[in-house]
Amino acid sequence: QKEVEQDPGPLSVPEGAIVSLNCTYSNSAFQYFMWYRQYSRKGPELLMYTYSSGNKEDGRFTAQVDKSSKYISLFIRDSQPSDSATYLCASYPGAAGNKLTFGGGTRVLVKP
Amino acid sequence: GAVVSQHPSWVICKSGTSVKIECRSLDFQATTMFWYRQFPKQSLMLMATSNEGSKATYEQGVEKDKFLINHASLTLSTLTVTSAHPEDSSFYICSAAQGNSGELFFGEGSRLTVL
Repeated sequence: QKEVEQDPGPLSVPEGAIVSLNCTYSNSAFQYFMWYRQYSRKGPELLMYTYSSGNKEDGRFTAQVDKSSKYISLFIRDSQPSDSATYLCASYPGAAGNKLTFGGGTRVLVKP
Repeated sequence: GAVVSQHPSWVICKSGTSVKIECRSLDFQATTMFWYRQFPKQSLMLMATSNEGSKATYEQGVEKDKFLINHASLTLSTLTVTSAHPEDSSFYICSAAQGNSGELFFGEGSRLTVL
């Protein structure tokens, strides 16, 4: 079993819809949770970074972490065609220097 | 966010040659950088952890003599693919942690094609 599981998709939604992405993880030691967006042939871009449980909002993006169920989510409101990309969740136990464990990525397609 | 630069972004080389990829943190110092490899439509696979002033730590299954990592300064880490073969063709990405927050920022990636 992978430490971080993510549905590969693709997830296709119409423009303006809410995109809902999620991951599950198995390592109870994970404290930091990240969401990255990766366009084709580009490096990942950090979208959201959260510590422990709770919600975090940044513009159209909302990240949720539920440590009790080991479940992390990313919501994208008012989705745009430019949001079409692969979204990767990632987690690690501690602070700087810790190895990041990635999910497999979910491909999202927002249709105009 | 912080900026991590990789160079070259794309390189084509002949089988048997060596290729060096640079990873620089442009506006912050990074004592630790990470090197990943990514195959098409797959997630990132951690190859090694690069520590400034000391030897890199390689993940299981990664040949340290083939993928040489040097972290000579707090802003530069290099990955050298030695005696490259077609199976080494891949997308190589580096990342660096900014400060003690642990936020990891990635470079744009380097696409290696070995003929």
